[in-house]
Amino acid sequence: DAGVTQSPTHLIKTRGQQVTLRCSPKSGHDTVSWYQQALGQGPQFIFQYYEEEERQRGNFPDRFSGHQFPNYSSELNVNALLLGDSALYLCASSLSRIHYEQYFGPGTRLTVT
Amino acid sequence: GDSVTQMEGPVTLSEEAFLTINCTYTATGYPSLFWYVQYPGEGLQLLLKATKADDKGSNKGFEATYRKETTSFHLEKGSVQVSDSAVYFCALSPRGRGQGGKLIFGQGTELSVKP
Repeated sequence: DAGVTQSPTHLIKTRGQQVTLRCSPKSGHDTVSWYQQALGQGPQFIFQYYEEEERQRGNFPDRFSGHQFPNYSSELNVNALLLGDSALYLCASSLSRIHYEQYFGPGTRLTVT
Repeated sequence: GDSVTQMEGPVTLSEEAFLTINCTYTATGYPSLFWYVQYPGEGLQLLLKATKADDKGSNKGFEATYRKETTSFHLEKGSVQVSDSAVYFCALSPRGRGQGGKLIFGQGTELSVKP
């Protein structure tokens, strides 16, 4: 049973560019959440998707947007990258009825130069 | 707003020592509480959980009890191993309309176990 997978593993971008990160949830899960983890910090909630809609959003600017596809996979898009966007981006999946019990992928390490 | 506070690390122990990592929270109502572990270069793994007051979560020798009166969820293990070296995160999931689903994490506590 495949767990949560994310791609790419690492990414280097330049300030002002746009980036798309991808996530496939654990088999059977229908809800996907995204988190940003700065170095040495705990993850910060970005948003959560269920039934292809954003269900909840954290305190992140509109430059951060997402999408969920009919197969429950998800993308995170960040526009106009800033140096401060450099972080590990974690995707977590869950079942809608147990949405608080989340299973995390290995993350995508984004470096903005 | 809701928040989680963990004891600062790093925590360095000898193998077979007793481990306690303190975690306290601030939340409206009664959140669900979690401990996650992150090994170097990996994502987070759910270690244990408790969804109501006085619940005890346990897994792989680790335990934590949901203490409503002290708003705490301290992680304990009786005898640590070198393989337990990792960063441990305490987290809560708020209750209430429109709040469920997100996890709020503490800053993490790094544990290093020496042979």
